Amino acid sequence: NAGVTQTPKFQVLKTGQSMTLQCAQDMNHEYMSWYRQDPGMGLRLIHYSVGAGITDQGEVPNGYNVSRSTTEDFPLRLLSAAPSQTSVYFCASTEEAGLQNSGANVLTFGAGSRLTVL
Amino acid sequence: ELKVEQNPLFLSMQEGKNYTIYCNYSTTSDRLYWYRQDPGKSLESLFVLLSNGAVKQEGRLMASLDTKARLSTLHITAAVHDLSATYFCAVDSGSRLTFGEGTQLTVNP
Repeated sequence: NAGVTQTPKFQVLKTGQSMTLQCAQDMNHEYMSWYRQDPGMGLRLIHYSVGAGITDQGEVPNGYNVSRSTTEDFPLRLLSAAPSQTSVYFCASTEEAGLQNSGANVLTFGAGSRLTVL
Repeated sequence: ELKVEQNPLFLSMQEGKNYTIYCNYSTTSDRLYWYRQDPGKSLESLFVLLSNGAVKQEGRLMASLDTKARLSTLHITAAVHDLSATYFCAVDSGSRLTFGEGTQLTVNP
């Protein structure tokens, strides 16, 4: 049981290049999300998905695209990288999201992807 | 828009001392989580607080939630070096978790 797997761990891009950060989970979780972590700003939500075929914007979605064609995978695409997107990116998943359920929505995080845009 | 604020943001303390980290949030929620992050690592879940008055303890750490005051605390008792890490609180607003800025804790011998 690998949990949440992110690739690559490190990436350097030039301004204007595009790339995809991969995220896969093998826990059959419905909810997946992408966060970016910047010093002094905690983690900020980029996009999230509550199930296959459903995605929504988080707090800082500009410059990023996502899709959710399967339950397992939730890739994050940078369309035209900018230096402001230099950050550490975390993918996370949980069984379900929503106040309607009685359980806790504890996120399982991937190991992170450190992206530098020059 | 939900705001989550932690204080202090940086905390340097001696081994054996006690201290409290505070997490304030701006809108109604009765679900709050604490995570720990070691340098260069990912986040690990520490505590899940699901109702007003909830208290959870694990070793030298104890977390509590006051939903009326919109406040959670993480209390450290008799700190040891192994507790050095960054601690985040996160508030559940239904479809997303909003994180605080994090408190970087350093425990000195």
